[in-house]
Amino acid sequence: AQRVTQPEKLLSVFKGAPVELKCNYSYSGSPELFWYVQYSRQRLQLLLRHISRESIKGFTADLNKGETSFHLKKPFAQEEDSAMYYCALIVGIGAGSYQLTFGKGTKLSVIP
Amino acid sequence: DSGVTQTPKHLITATGQRVTLRCSPRSGDLSVYWYQQSLDQGLQFLIQYYNGEERAKGNILERFSAQQFPDLHSELNLSSLELGDSALYFCASSPISGGSRTGELFFGEGSRLTVL
Repeated sequence: AQRVTQPEKLLSVFKGAPVELKCNYSYSGSPELFWYVQYSRQRLQLLLRHISRESIKGFTADLNKGETSFHLKKPFAQEEDSAMYYCALIVGIGAGSYQLTFGKGTKLSVIP
Repeated sequence: DSGVTQTPKHLITATGQRVTLRCSPRSGDLSVYWYQQSLDQGLQFLIQYYNGEERAKGNILERFSAQQFPDLHSELNLSSLELGDSALYFCASSPISGGSRTGELFFGEGSRLTVL
């Protein structure tokens, strides 16, 4: 069965410091991974996906199959980055639908 | 607002009672997912429907059930409620898989259930 692990419940960094939110996965197939973010009083929303190799709001994430990791990084944290971050793994379940398994989330707090 | 809508936003009830949470997906989305969010467990997948049919089941208790109706809205029924069922229940919808949108779930604002 697939599993997503986010080892840190809470991560506090100072503004301007680098950020790394850890995510490890367990999955027997070829993984597709995502980061979702939930800002205060907003809906949970997609931040980025590994297949697009994009940088969103300065965040990047690289899939490392050898270490089964998909860590989220940003070189310089901003106060507006404070939010709850969830790593997620997609599993196709056939006929046009799929399932996302989420980690337990990491709360990022950026200290001014 | 053409996003995912959930009702009610807040619900307070007593142990042993039964409640129904409602979700309307985004226009055109066929898949509906239900998740339970609690402090200790994070986002726990409960159940998924696709075009009216159950597609996947996660950690859903037998006291809980769901369905998706022909107009694609979904309801999550929680019965014989216990204190531990207090949580935020999220509904999400998604377009069909394939292409650049795969994996993108659109979440509602959630229904906060408090069981006293």
